[in-house]
Amino acid sequence: DAGVIQSPRHEVTEMGQEVTLRCKPISGHNSLFWYRQTMMRGLELLIYFNNNVPIDDSGMPEDRFSAKMPNASFSTLKIQPSEPRDSAVYFCASSTGQGLNQPQHFGDGTRLSIL
Amino acid sequence: LAKTTQPISMDSYEGQEVNITCSHNNIATNDYITWYQQFPSQGPRFIIQGYKTKVTNEVASLFIPADRKSSTLSLPRVSLSDTAVYYCLVGSASASGGSYIPTFGRGTSLIVHP
Repeated sequence: DAGVIQSPRHEVTEMGQEVTLRCKPISGHNSLFWYRQTMMRGLELLIYFNNNVPIDDSGMPEDRFSAKMPNASFSTLKIQPSEPRDSAVYFCASSTGQGLNQPQHFGDGTRLSIL
Repeated sequence: LAKTTQPISMDSYEGQEVNITCSHNNIATNDYITWYQQFPSQGPRFIIQGYKTKVTNEVASLFIPADRKSSTLSLPRVSLSDTAVYYCLVGSASASGGSYIPTFGRGTSLIVHP
C-alpha cells in the first residue's frame, strides 16, 4: 500500500523565491496535516485539513505561508517569498477521522534549504 | 491547550526494558494518548495508543494511571534499532473551536548502547 507521498524530497533555493511543497495523502484518509521540524522548535503543526477544509491554521507562521487542498488526494504548502529561517524539514501526515483519535501516517518529508 | 512533558533524553543498553514517562496534566476527557517513534530522515511512525489503564501490542506497552495525567511507554528488551526519538501526543482543543488538534511534545531521544 502506498503511504503518504511528499515531493520533492529535497529543495534548495535562494531567498525570495517561491517554494511549493506537495503531498498526496493515503487514499480514504480525510484528515491532512502539515508539520515543520527544526532543531530549535521541534515538530510544529502548521495547518490541519478535514474533508479538504482548513480547520485550524493557527500554526502557520505568517502570511508568506499558505496551504491548499483542492481535492482529497492532493495538498500544497507554499512559501512566498522564502527566507533562510524557513529552512526545515516539512512533513505531511494523513489520518482517518478527525483530530487525534486516529493514528497519523507521515510522509518522509521535504528537506528545505533556503540560501 | 494540552501540553506534554517528557525527558529530553535517555540512555539504555541492549536487552533492557525502557520506560519513558510523559506528563499531560491538562488532558481533556475525550483525549487519547498516542506515542510515535521517529528515526533520522524519516517521518514519525505510530507505535501505540490508549485511553486508560494498559494497552499492549507487539511493539510496546502503554500504562495510563486512573487520573490520566501521565502515561508511560514501555519498550521490552530494547535493541540498537530502537534508538530513536519518541513523542507523546495528546489531543487538544483547537483555537478555532471544536476540533481536536494534535500537539507533539519535544520528544525523548533514546540511545541504546551495545
